[in-house]
Amino acid sequence: DQQVKQNSPSLSVQEGRISILNCDYTNSMFDYFLWYKKYPAEGPTFLISISSIKDKNEDGRFTVFLNKSAKHLSLHIVPSQPGDSAVYFCAASSYTGTASKLTFGTGTRLQVTL
Amino acid sequence: GAVVSQHPSRVICKSGTSVKIECRSLDFQATTMFWYRQFPKQSLMLMATSNEGSKATYEQGVEKDKFLINHASLTLSTLTVASAHPEDSSFYICSAKQGAGEKLFFGSGTQLSVL
Repeated sequence: DQQVKQNSPSLSVQEGRISILNCDYTNSMFDYFLWYKKYPAEGPTFLISISSIKDKNEDGRFTVFLNKSAKHLSLHIVPSQPGDSAVYFCAASSYTGTASKLTFGTGTRLQVTL
Repeated sequence: GAVVSQHPSRVICKSGTSVKIECRSLDFQATTMFWYRQFPKQSLMLMATSNEGSKATYEQGVEKDKFLINHASLTLSTLTVASAHPEDSSFYICSAKQGAGEKLFFGSGTQLSVL
């Protein structure tokens, strides 16, 4: 049962335009959400996060939006740059009583073209 | 940011051998480390949570006798794949938490290929 879903396996965006990556979740116990970026042969690196008490968090070119009623979050990158080309994972956190653990989506491969 | 080093990056071994993967937090102490595996085109699946000085907590369906985790110090956790078989071939990745925050820092991963 995939509790965190990224339904678009890939996305291609022209340089300078906006990239929108989507993520849906099913578990209402998730209370913290993160986006990670992964280049080939490297581990994921943290990008941006949002708590469930907020609906928007912005950091430079990256903004994450959370719609709790729809159990949906999105990552906006504007303007998109060629260096943004990578796989983006959305992750959700739930506290299990002894430790919190992250559940990851399957990733979306973003290609920013010139 | 915090650095997590994972070694080796790639292992090719014969069926039946054991493989040890190391995960080190280089510039911080990690009381909790996590081990994930990722099959092609699938998400990172949590295998186990490793706490320094205590037994690891394994996720449902993960064989603790097959995937041996040791977290002997605040900067080192190891995953040993015992008697590896071809179906164990996967990308294994560790991560560590710095402090009480939710953010994880990941190692670069280990691609295990069992022949």
